[in-house]
Amino acid sequence: AQSVTQLDSQVPVFEEAPVELRCNYSSSVSVYLFWYVQYPNQGLQLLLKYLSGSTLVESINGFEAEFNKSQTSFHLRKPSVHISDTAEYFCAVTSYGGATNKLIFGTGTLLAVQP
Amino acid sequence: DTEVTQTPKHLVMGMTNKKSLKCEQHMGHRAMYWYKQKAKKPPELMFVYSYEKLSINESVPSRFSPECPNSSLLNLHLHALQPEDSALYLCASSLDIGPEAEAFFGQGTRLTVV
Repeated sequence: AQSVTQLDSQVPVFEEAPVELRCNYSSSVSVYLFWYVQYPNQGLQLLLKYLSGSTLVESINGFEAEFNKSQTSFHLRKPSVHISDTAEYFCAVTSYGGATNKLIFGTGTLLAVQP
Repeated sequence: DTEVTQTPKHLVMGMTNKKSLKCEQHMGHRAMYWYKQKAKKPPELMFVYSYEKLSINESVPSRFSPECPNSSLLNLHLHALQPEDSALYLCASSLDIGPEAEAFFGQGTRLTVV
């Protein structure tokens, strides 16, 4: 079985500062990893994903995440945040070779960007 | 069109009512999902449909009844709900049910049971 841990329930940060949202996973098999963002009163949007290949993946709005197999982590980073990045961020995992796209979500991290 | 459309956006229903949530996508996706999200919690999978057939039921109470009339539509029929069933209900779709497939989510239906 897989599980995802997001230790930080809330991360306050000032605008234009860098940020890192932590995600660790546990799995006995290889995994696919995802970051989803949820703006207030909205559904979830895929931010970025790691399936294979380069361990550093990037989104179109400046976020990046690095898959670290030895540390079983997939932390999300942005060098300079904007007010508009305020949202809930969910890390999620599915298992390689699994039969179903059964996303297992972490508990989420609220990124609160302050002016 | 990369949208998953859910209706209604908000729903208030009594414990004796019968109502339905609707979800629609026109991306040619063959997998569709219902998730339940309580406040300040992550989404929890309820049902998975693959090629219009129920693939997974995550031990959801029978007062929730899913239906997939065709490849573009997914319904969730609600009957005799409890106040604790109040939540955001999210529909999602993906190209297929493979674990690498990207899931596209709708904006959700916020359900309040009174």
